Amino acid sequence: AQSVTQLDSQVPVFEEAPVELRCNYSSSVSVYLFWYVQYPNQGLQLLLKYLSGSTLVKGINGFEAEFNKSQTSFHLRKPSVHISDTAEYFCAVSGQGGSEKLVFGKGTKLTVNP
Amino acid sequence: SQTIHQWPATLVQPVGSPLSLECTVEGTSNPNLYWYRQAAGRGLQLLFYSVGIGQISSEVPQNLSASRPQDRQFILSSKKLLLSDSGFYLCAWTRRANYGYTFGSGTRLTVV
Repeated sequence: AQSVTQLDSQVPVFEEAPVELRCNYSSSVSVYLFWYVQYPNQGLQLLLKYLSGSTLVKGINGFEAEFNKSQTSFHLRKPSVHISDTAEYFCAVSGQGGSEKLVFGKGTKLTVNP
Repeated sequence: SQTIHQWPATLVQPVGSPLSLECTVEGTSNPNLYWYRQAAGRGLQLLFYSVGIGQISSEVPQNLSASRPQDRQFILSSKKLLLSDSGFYLCAWTRRANYGYTFGSGTRLTVV
């Protein structure tokens, strides 16, 4: 079984500052990794995913994440955030199988202040 | 293209009343379907998933049930709602694990 730990429940930053949202996972098998964003009262939207290959993954809205197998981490980064990036971000993991379920972290609330 | 519809968007129900939330997927066949509940500060809790018509797996014992009467339809139900059933309910689908999930827009349920 897989598990995900998002190390920060809330991250406040100022506009145009860089941000890193941390995610660590646990799994006994190879995994797929995902980051989702949720704006208030909306469903989750896929930001990016790591399946295999290059460990640096680029997603929508200028976000990127780096897969680190030795540290079992998949941290999300953005070099310069905007007010509109204020949202909740979820890291998720699934095992590499046809019907593997996604396991989500508890989320990180990113607040971008002017 | 594939789309997922979830309704209603908001719902206020009295304790003890029944519940039916519906989710449908368009533009694909034989999707894996999922119901999640999101309570404040508790992340996403998987309630049910289905890999085919009539095939339902429950992740946690609770006051809710799910059904899949058609390939692209997934229904979440309760016979008698409890206050603790309040939350934000999300439906999702995928074809394969490496696709990730596509989520519906959610239903905000308040039990009063």
